Amino acid sequence: TQLLEQSPQFLSIQEGENLTVYCNSSSVFSSLQWYRQEPGEGPVLLVTVVTGGEVKKLKRLTFQFGDARKDSSLHITAAQPGDTGLYLCAGAEAGGTSYGKLTFGQGTILTVHP
Amino acid sequence: EAGVAQSPRYKIIEKRQSVAFWCNPISGHATLYWYQQILGQGPKLLIQFQNNGVVDDSQLPKDRFSAERLKGVDSTLKIQPAKLEDSAVYLCASSLRGSGTSNEQFFGPGTRLTVL
Repeated sequence: TQLLEQSPQFLSIQEGENLTVYCNSSSVFSSLQWYRQEPGEGPVLLVTVVTGGEVKKLKRLTFQFGDARKDSSLHITAAQPGDTGLYLCAGAEAGGTSYGKLTFGQGTILTVHP
Repeated sequence: EAGVAQSPRYKIIEKRQSVAFWCNPISGHATLYWYQQILGQGPKLLIQFQNNGVVDDSQLPKDRFSAERLKGVDSTLKIQPAKLEDSAVYLCASSLRGSGTSNEQFFGPGTRLTVL
């Protein structure tokens, strides 16, 4: 079973601060996705990274996939209260008959105070 | 485009009772997933359907959980009998196809189950 470790589990910051969330594994993934989940809702896909070393930017969010495709990071610049939520990383298994199965990390609960 | 629909949104039952959840995926999506999300954790895949066939149910507790996807569209997940540790949010997701590096899963709002 492939595992994804996310850190930190909880993050409470002030508006305007920067933050980074990490997602680490000993396993190689064919791709890695980042989701954001708000209370009472299902996760919503933010980005998919596929190539080792890939960097993607989505406004104030920067996503990076490790060179070995075992880890990823999410960096938020100048956080806003609207960024508050649960951030989840999910890895798609590489090869075999995994049929695109996603393994989720335990999530990072981000709270941005005005 | 309508999203993934789930019902009920909330359910409270006593242990040893039975419960069923319903999911209607996005039209045309071949793959349907059921996840269990315990408070403070990420979603855990219970079962994955490709059309109306099961492709992965390795983490489904088959002694008490069952799921079906008749006609390859709607799906139901049943728990019988429920235990206290089944208290969780049950998420349904669908995707256009079941594999590929850009396989995006669309999630429903979930059903929050409380077992007393």
